[in-house]
Amino acid sequence: DVKVTQSSRYLVKRTGEKVFLECVQDMDHENMFWYRQDPGLGLRLIYFSYDVKMKEKGDIPEGYSVSREKKERFSLILESASTNQTSMYLCASSFLGGLGRYTNEQFFGPGTRLTVL
Amino acid sequence: AQKITQTQPGMFVQEKEAVTLDCTYDTSDPSYGLFWYKQPSSGEMIFLIYQGSYDQQNATEGRYSLNFQKARKSANLVISASQLGDSAMYFCAMREGLGDTDKLIFGTGTRLQVFP
Repeated sequence: DVKVTQSSRYLVKRTGEKVFLECVQDMDHENMFWYRQDPGLGLRLIYFSYDVKMKEKGDIPEGYSVSREKKERFSLILESASTNQTSMYLCASSFLGGLGRYTNEQFFGPGTRLTVL
Repeated sequence: AQKITQTQPGMFVQEKEAVTLDCTYDTSDPSYGLFWYKQPSSGEMIFLIYQGSYDQQNATEGRYSLNFQKARKSANLVISASQLGDSAMYFCAMREGLGDTDKLIFGTGTRLQVFP
């Protein structure tokens, strides 16, 4: 079974703190994604990566950065946390498309519920 | 314009009945894929079913089927014989293109509640 794990289920931080959210997958997936989920807005893509040290901005990258030093690990960084970054953060991974995999669905971690006070 | 639209914020269904969750999409790309995910209260997103734009038949996976109407750009999820464990958020998502991008665009979700 594909396993995507996230470092914390719940996290409480103070405004201005630097926050690290870690995600690890064990299926040798090339792609990794970070989303945030807010009520009424669905899932919005923050950043994604299709290879080690490669990253691309999603729809809402402002206030976030990412790091992918190893294939299995993708970190989301909030340089200076703000209250409007209180949200559920979901990590996902998938194989690189175009390699004959039909559905190529994304596999998700359990999520991290971040509260910034 | 919204790429994926789910117009039902919440739905109720009685156990053992069928329910349809609506999803419409907007794309000019002839190649695309449509996904449905389930999110129980535990938070993890679970992949349910996939439909490719060139698929001739509607996708089915057990009690889940996808009512794909290409001309209307709709991809409704049908759950037959609902169970209490089907209570969850359901998200429709689209991937545009075939292989050149793996990004998914999600709708806002529908909360389904199954009652006895």
